[in-house]
Amino acid sequence: GAGVSQSPRYKVAKRGQDVALRCDPISGHVSLFWYQQALGQGPEFLTYFQNEAQLDKSGLPSDRFFAERPEGSVSTLKIQRTQQEDSAVYLCASSFGLGNYNEQFFGPGTRLTVL
Amino acid sequence: AQTVTQSQPEMSVQEAETVTLSCTYDTSENNYYLFWYKQPPSRQMILVIRQEAYKQQNATENRFSVNFQKAAKSFSLKISDSQLGDTAMYFCAFMKPAGNNRKLIWGLGTSLAVNP
Repeated sequence: GAGVSQSPRYKVAKRGQDVALRCDPISGHVSLFWYQQALGQGPEFLTYFQNEAQLDKSGLPSDRFFAERPEGSVSTLKIQRTQQEDSAVYLCASSFGLGNYNEQFFGPGTRLTVL
Repeated sequence: AQTVTQSQPEMSVQEAETVTLSCTYDTSENNYYLFWYKQPPSRQMILVIRQEAYKQQNATENRFSVNFQKAAKSFSLKISDSQLGDTAMYFCAFMKPAGNNRKLIWGLGTSLAVNP
């Protein structure tokens, strides 16, 4: 079966532009996570969805970042008025359910470069 | 707040040898999960091994094993019979299973090079 997919794989934006990053989770996965991974760093949590509900957005660095998952499947991370510090790889992960443990499966990431 | 520390930014090992990657963490929780993830140059993050804190037995997955010391809050990864394909970034991660959010808290990673 297909894994988590993300598009685009690479995005170059001029400072001030808006960007939209897409994540297609594994079919049937309830939970969806977005992480930001700066160059040479570990990933950092941005936001979490349970189906269509955004239950935790505590990691979003500013109000320029917005995420949605309107039908509980595909998710979009939108960054408005991009800044150079937004340059990073954005990772999406999904997991099946809400039990004590459900493995998170990761997509290949979207590398965002803001010039 | 939980933190994860990986004190070895880079390591190298000869093919077929054994290498140990270190990880320490800080938490006041009693029940949690610990993970090692591998991120090859293609950047797809892959789960290597996981450990439940309530289990005393160290987890093992083929050539990969952990040394989990709960009191010391230490969680090291041992790779035996290293292979060229093990070359990657390795991340240690923590998860608190309580509540609705199963977010992972990550260390900075260790870059492992396996040399022929």
